[in-house]
Amino acid sequence: DTAVSQTPKYLVTQMGNDKSIKCEQNLGHDTMYWYKQDSKKFLKIMFSYNNKELIINETVPNRFSPKSPDKAHLNLHINSLELGDSAVYFCASSQGKQAISGNTIYFGEGSWLTVV
Amino acid sequence: AQKVTQAQTEISVVEKEDVTLDCVYETRDTTYYLFWYKQPPSGELVFLIRRNSFDEQNEISGRYSWNFQKSTSSFNFTITASQVVDSAVYFCALSENSGNTPLVFGKGTRLSVIA
Repeated sequence: DTAVSQTPKYLVTQMGNDKSIKCEQNLGHDTMYWYKQDSKKFLKIMFSYNNKELIINETVPNRFSPKSPDKAHLNLHINSLELGDSAVYFCASSQGKQAISGNTIYFGEGSWLTVV
Repeated sequence: AQKVTQAQTEISVVEKEDVTLDCVYETRDTTYYLFWYKQPPSGELVFLIRRNSFDEQNEISGRYSWNFQKSTSSFNFTITASQVVDSAVYFCALSENSGNTPLVFGKGTRLSVIA
């Protein structure tokens, strides 16, 4: 069973559309993340949730709205998609707050978003 | 602020050669954690190793080894007898033990192993 799974893996959509990426982890972790990897492979955190509570929100446009219905799920909704949103979005999880404990973050397989 | 530098953007080696990927970090914390991740062509991010700042022992796992030196703020990764399957982008990352500072990644080193 995949530990951190996200869907869809590939998504091609037009500018202005609204789309969602879903993420689920079955590791029993209580912290989840969204990272963005740009075309130059640079990885940067977007959000972090601990037990459904937002703990990190890194200068992300408010068109991006994460939602955590429970600690095993963290979905990412993006409104009014722009060309610059094209990237790979990685969901991840860790046991406990990663920054405090240095726990390992485990990543999903990524969702390739292309905005045309 | 924390920072990770991977100065080598791309490296190409011939199969069976040894290769070292460099990682230099900056942090003001005395407690921190260092990581390496592998991103093969298929795109997923695979965790390789975690090291805390108080453990400077080198680690070996099969053909992989890591050299952590606090004196030079480096956490280098060596692959011995490289194989084509080692071709990937390798990321070094740093986590400080203060506040909610997120895991920060270097820009990655693309390793190509040629048969």
